Amino acid sequence: GAVVSQHPSRVICKSGTSVKIECRSLDFQATTMFWYRQFPKQSLMLMATSNEGSKATYEQGVEKDKFLINHASLTLSTLTVTSAHPEDSSFYICSARSPGSGGGTEAFFGQGTRLTVV
Amino acid sequence: AQKVTQAQTEISVVEKEDVTLDCVYETRDTTYYLFWYKQPPSGELVFLIRRNSFDEQNEISGRYSWNFQKSTSSFNFTITASQVVDSAVYFCALSSLNTGGFKTIFGAGTRLFVKA
Repeated sequence: GAVVSQHPSRVICKSGTSVKIECRSLDFQATTMFWYRQFPKQSLMLMATSNEGSKATYEQGVEKDKFLINHASLTLSTLTVTSAHPEDSSFYICSARSPGSGGGTEAFFGQGTRLTVV
Repeated sequence: AQKVTQAQTEISVVEKEDVTLDCVYETRDTTYYLFWYKQPPSGELVFLIRRNSFDEQNEISGRYSWNFQKSTSSFNFTITASQVVDSAVYFCALSSLNTGGFKTIFGAGTRLFVKA
């Protein structure tokens, strides 16, 4: 079964509203989670690294005020798309590594969230 | 620079054919990790394999096999006797200290179509 659960899997929202996406690690405590964005027929682009108990680290070009990340516990990270616009429509995926695994283990990925802003 | 190149955008084969997906990577690190993931139409990423930079031994898992060659910085993936269910996008990925705390960076992906 999945070790990282992402919710919701699909969401449609009106332009100007905010949407929250949750990412939960089910079998382990994740001090670090990653958020990716995937445009149709493109690769996964890392948006930010979510660190438990501290501020997220955003990749260059990602608006931190637009994409709010909160990692309040060792099993939950949330991504909030604020004042969403149609160009924010995309597939968002989170991932988590179990603690102490460095880069040597695979990151477990959530099921992804398909966001459509109308 | 850390980079993963998957030069093949799309590949189309007929069922039972063998197919190889190419992956070339760039990294300055001596310790790094390479991955392959499968993304079916549902969107969820499915982990296929992990390799560390010190282990060049090739691996076979059922119809899947991987060829890791540090001399050419390649980590190619072969599907033997392909099946329609293999149709998906396949991503090669790299993780190392210099990707930024072992973040995973992905290649552009190769879309595989297997026709019946």
